[in-house]
Amino acid sequence: GAGVSQSPSNKVTEKGKDVELRCDPISGHTALYWYRQSLGQGLEFLIYFQGNSAPDKSGLPSDRFSAERTGGSVSTLTIQRTQQEDSAVYLCASSLVGAGGPPLGELFFGEGSRLTVL
Amino acid sequence: AQSVAQPEDQVNVAEGNPLTVKCTYSVSGNPYLFWYVQYPNRGLQFLLKYITGDNLVKGSYGFEAEFNKSQTSFHLKKPSALVSDSALYFCADYRPQENTPLVFGKGTRLSVIA
Repeated sequence: GAGVSQSPSNKVTEKGKDVELRCDPISGHTALYWYRQSLGQGLEFLIYFQGNSAPDKSGLPSDRFSAERTGGSVSTLTIQRTQQEDSAVYLCASSLVGAGGPPLGELFFGEGSRLTVL
Repeated sequence: AQSVAQPEDQVNVAEGNPLTVKCTYSVSGNPYLFWYVQYPNRGLQFLLKYITGDNLVKGSYGFEAEFNKSQTSFHLKKPSALVSDSALYFCADYRPQENTPLVFGKGTRLSVIA
Protein backbone atom coordinates (compact mmCIF):
# COMPACT_ATOMS: atom_id res chain seq x y z
CA GLY A 1 0.00 0.00 0.00
CA ALA A 2 0.92 3.65 -0.15
CA GLY A 3 1.48 4.02 3.57
CA VAL A 4 1.64 2.16 6.85
CA SER A 5 -1.74 0.70 7.66
CA GLN A 6 -2.90 -0.12 11.18
CA SER A 7 -6.02 -1.85 12.42
CA PRO A 8 -8.22 -1.47 14.27
CA SER A 9 -8.16 2.30 14.49
CA ASN A 10 -10.07 2.13 17.75
CA LYS A 11 -10.45 -0.70 20.22
CA VAL A 12 -12.41 -0.67 23.46
CA THR A 13 -11.97 -3.71 25.66
CA GLU A 14 -12.60 -4.83 29.18
CA LYS A 15 -9.87 -5.27 31.71
CA GLY A 16 -8.43 -8.79 31.55
CA LYS A 17 -9.19 -9.40 27.87
CA ASP A 18 -6.53 -10.00 25.23
CA VAL A 19 -6.17 -7.68 22.24
CA GLU A 20 -4.34 -7.89 18.94
CA LEU A 21 -3.23 -4.86 16.96
CA ARG A 22 -2.12 -5.21 13.37
CA CYS A 23 0.40 -3.28 11.29
CA ASP A 24 0.95 -3.53 7.57
CA PRO A 25 4.17 -1.67 6.69
CA ILE A 26 5.14 -0.01 3.45
CA SER A 27 6.16 -2.59 0.88
CA GLY A 28 9.93 -3.02 0.79
CA HIS A 29 10.53 -1.60 4.26
CA THR A 30 12.41 -4.22 6.23
CA ALA A 31 12.52 -2.32 9.51
CA LEU A 32 9.34 -2.16 11.61
CA TYR A 33 8.77 -0.46 14.96
CA TRP A 34 6.03 -0.33 17.56
CA TYR A 35 5.74 2.71 19.81
CA ARG A 36 3.15 3.64 22.43
CA GLN A 37 1.87 7.17 22.87
CA SER A 38 0.24 8.01 26.17
CA LEU A 39 -1.04 11.40 27.22
CA GLY A 40 1.85 13.38 28.62
CA GLN A 41 4.32 10.54 28.11
CA GLY A 42 5.50 11.15 24.61
CA LEU A 43 6.49 8.23 22.43
CA GLU A 44 7.61 5.09 24.21
CA PHE A 45 9.55 2.51 22.21
CA LEU A 46 8.18 -1.02 22.48
CA ILE A 47 9.79 -3.35 19.94
CA TYR A 48 11.80 -3.25 16.73
CA PHE A 49 12.11 -5.78 13.89
CA GLN A 50 14.88 -5.62 11.32
CA GLY A 51 14.90 -8.19 8.54
CA ASN A 52 15.66 -11.68 9.81
CA SER A 53 17.48 -10.50 12.92
CA ALA A 54 16.14 -11.22 16.39
CA PRO A 55 13.77 -8.41 17.38
CA ASP A 56 14.80 -5.79 19.92
CA LYS A 57 12.21 -6.32 22.66
CA SER A 58 13.87 -4.07 25.20
CA GLY A 59 10.96 -1.63 25.33
CA LEU A 60 8.16 -4.08 26.08
CA PRO A 61 6.78 -3.04 29.49
CA SER A 62 5.83 -6.50 30.73
CA ASP A 63 5.54 -10.12 29.66
CA ARG A 64 1.89 -9.45 28.80
CA PHE A 65 3.14 -7.74 25.68
CA SER A 66 4.43 -9.63 22.67
CA ALA A 67 4.80 -9.04 18.96
CA GLU A 68 5.56 -11.02 15.89
CA ARG A 69 6.26 -10.27 12.30
CA THR A 70 5.31 -12.86 9.76
CA GLY A 71 7.08 -13.20 6.44
CA GLY A 72 9.01 -10.03 7.03
CA SER A 73 5.91 -7.95 6.45
CA VAL A 74 2.77 -7.75 8.60
CA SER A 75 3.24 -7.42 12.35
CA THR A 76 0.87 -8.14 15.21
CA LEU A 77 1.21 -6.66 18.69
CA THR A 78 -0.60 -8.73 21.32
CA ILE A 79 -1.48 -7.54 24.80
CA GLN A 80 -2.69 -10.25 27.14
CA ARG A 81 -4.85 -9.66 30.21
CA THR A 82 -5.16 -5.96 29.46
CA GLN A 83 -4.97 -3.44 32.28
CA GLN A 84 -6.28 0.11 32.40
CA GLU A 85 -2.74 1.48 32.23
CA ASP A 86 -2.41 -0.14 28.80
CA SER A 87 -4.81 2.46 27.41
CA ALA A 88 -2.86 4.45 24.82
CA VAL A 89 -2.37 4.94 21.11
CA TYR A 90 -0.16 2.23 19.66
CA LEU A 91 1.85 3.46 16.69
CA CYS A 92 3.57 1.34 14.08
CA ALA A 93 6.28 2.66 11.81
CA SER A 94 8.46 1.24 9.07
CA SER A 95 11.63 2.37 7.37
CA LEU A 96 14.08 1.53 4.65
CA VAL A 97 17.43 0.01 5.38
CA GLY A 98 20.63 1.61 4.15
CA ALA A 99 23.43 -0.11 2.32
CA GLY A 100 25.29 -0.55 5.58
CA GLY A 101 22.47 -2.47 7.19
CA PRO A 102 20.93 -0.23 9.86
CA PRO A 103 17.73 1.58 9.05
CA LEU A 104 18.12 4.99 7.48
CA GLY A 105 16.29 6.60 10.34
CA GLU A 106 13.33 8.30 8.69
CA LEU A 107 10.27 6.49 9.94
CA PHE A 108 6.91 6.34 8.22
CA PHE A 109 4.14 6.09 10.79
CA GLY A 110 0.66 4.68 10.62
CA GLU A 111 -2.22 6.60 12.15
CA GLY A 112 -2.24 4.37 15.19
CA SER A 113 -4.59 2.10 17.07
CA ARG A 114 -6.29 3.76 20.03
CA LEU A 115 -6.78 1.23 22.81
CA THR A 116 -9.15 1.93 25.68
CA VAL A 117 -9.29 -0.55 28.53
CA LEU A 118 -12.35 -0.17 30.74
CA ALA B 1 21.50 5.04 25.90
CA GLN B 2 20.75 8.35 24.34
CA SER B 3 17.88 10.56 25.49
CA VAL B 4 16.23 13.67 24.14
CA ALA B 5 14.86 16.58 26.14
CA GLN B 6 12.15 18.94 25.01
CA PRO B 7 12.02 21.39 27.91
CA GLU B 8 8.73 23.02 26.97
CA ASP B 9 5.44 21.13 27.08
CA GLN B 10 3.67 24.04 25.38
CA VAL B 11 4.73 26.93 23.15
CA ASN B 12 2.35 29.72 22.23
CA VAL B 13 3.14 32.17 19.45
CA ALA B 14 1.18 34.77 17.50
CA GLU B 15 0.63 34.19 13.82
CA GLY B 16 3.33 35.85 11.75
CA ASN B 17 5.88 35.80 14.57
CA PRO B 18 8.96 33.57 14.51
CA LEU B 19 8.73 30.32 16.41
CA THR B 20 11.27 28.12 18.16
CA VAL B 21 10.72 24.67 19.61
CA LYS B 22 13.65 23.51 21.70
CA CYS B 23 15.42 20.16 21.75
CA THR B 24 18.62 18.97 23.38
CA TYR B 25 20.24 15.57 23.21
CA SER B 26 22.10 14.06 26.09
CA VAL B 27 24.90 11.89 24.78
CA SER B 28 27.88 13.19 22.88
CA GLY B 29 28.94 11.55 19.68
CA ASN B 30 27.46 11.65 16.22
CA PRO B 31 23.69 11.60 16.46
CA TYR B 32 21.24 11.61 13.64
CA LEU B 33 18.59 14.10 14.75
CA PHE B 34 15.02 14.35 13.54
CA TRP B 35 11.91 16.44 13.94
CA TYR B 36 8.48 14.92 13.47
CA VAL B 37 5.09 16.64 13.61
CA GLN B 38 1.73 15.22 14.63
CA TYR B 39 -1.36 17.10 13.51
CA PRO B 40 -4.60 16.49 15.43
CA ASN B 41 -5.91 12.95 14.96
CA ARG B 42 -3.13 12.10 12.52
CA GLY B 43 -0.01 9.98 12.56
CA LEU B 44 3.48 11.41 12.90
CA GLN B 45 5.07 12.95 9.83
CA PHE B 46 8.74 13.49 9.16
CA LEU B 47 9.75 17.17 9.00
CA LEU B 48 13.53 17.22 8.69
CA LYS B 49 16.75 15.53 9.74
CA TYR B 50 20.38 16.26 10.42
CA ILE B 51 22.98 13.62 9.66
CA THR B 52 26.12 15.44 8.65
CA GLY B 53 27.24 18.52 6.76
CA ASP B 54 25.65 21.94 7.04
CA ASN B 55 24.44 22.60 10.57
CA LEU B 56 21.32 24.36 9.28
CA VAL B 57 18.85 21.97 7.73
CA LYS B 58 15.67 22.91 5.95
CA GLY B 59 12.57 20.78 5.91
CA SER B 60 8.93 20.68 5.00
CA TYR B 61 6.44 23.55 5.42
CA GLY B 62 9.17 26.19 5.79
CA PHE B 63 10.67 24.71 8.96
CA GLU B 64 14.38 24.60 9.65
CA ALA B 65 16.59 23.41 12.47
CA GLU B 66 20.11 24.17 13.56
CA PHE B 67 22.48 21.52 14.89
CA ASN B 68 24.71 22.95 17.61
CA LYS B 69 27.24 20.42 18.80
CA SER B 70 28.70 22.53 21.59
CA GLN B 71 25.25 23.02 23.11
CA THR B 72 24.00 19.55 22.09
CA SER B 73 20.90 21.22 20.71
CA PHE B 74 18.73 20.89 17.63
CA HIS B 75 16.06 23.60 17.93
CA LEU B 76 13.26 23.77 15.38
CA LYS B 77 12.52 27.18 13.90
CA LYS B 78 10.27 28.94 11.46
CA PRO B 79 10.53 32.64 10.56
CA SER B 80 6.78 33.27 10.38
CA ALA B 81 4.27 31.01 12.12
CA LEU B 82 0.93 29.99 10.63
CA VAL B 83 -2.18 28.92 12.51
CA SER B 84 -1.96 25.66 10.56
CA ASP B 85 1.42 24.96 12.23
CA SER B 86 -0.43 24.24 15.47
CA ALA B 87 0.45 20.63 16.29
CA LEU B 88 2.54 18.38 18.50
CA TYR B 89 6.24 18.36 17.65
CA PHE B 90 8.69 15.59 18.53
CA CYS B 91 12.45 15.63 18.44
CA ALA B 92 14.25 12.28 18.00
CA ASP B 93 17.80 10.95 18.24
CA TYR B 94 19.09 7.97 16.29
CA ARG B 95 22.44 6.19 16.48
CA PRO B 96 22.68 3.79 13.52
CA GLN B 97 26.09 2.56 14.60
CA GLU B 98 24.46 1.23 17.76
CA ASN B 99 21.49 -0.24 15.87
CA THR B 100 19.07 1.13 18.45
CA PRO B 101 15.67 2.55 17.61
CA LEU B 102 14.85 6.23 17.42
CA VAL B 103 14.48 7.77 20.85
CA PHE B 104 11.85 10.47 20.99
CA GLY B 105 11.38 13.41 23.28
CA LYS B 106 8.09 13.88 25.13
CA GLY B 107 6.81 16.35 22.58
CA THR B 108 6.01 20.05 22.56
CA ARG B 109 2.56 21.32 21.75
CA LEU B 110 2.70 24.41 19.54
CA SER B 111 -0.27 26.74 19.45
CA VAL B 112 -0.25 29.52 16.90
CA ILE B 113 -2.82 32.18 17.70
CA ALA B 114 -4.39 34.32 15.00
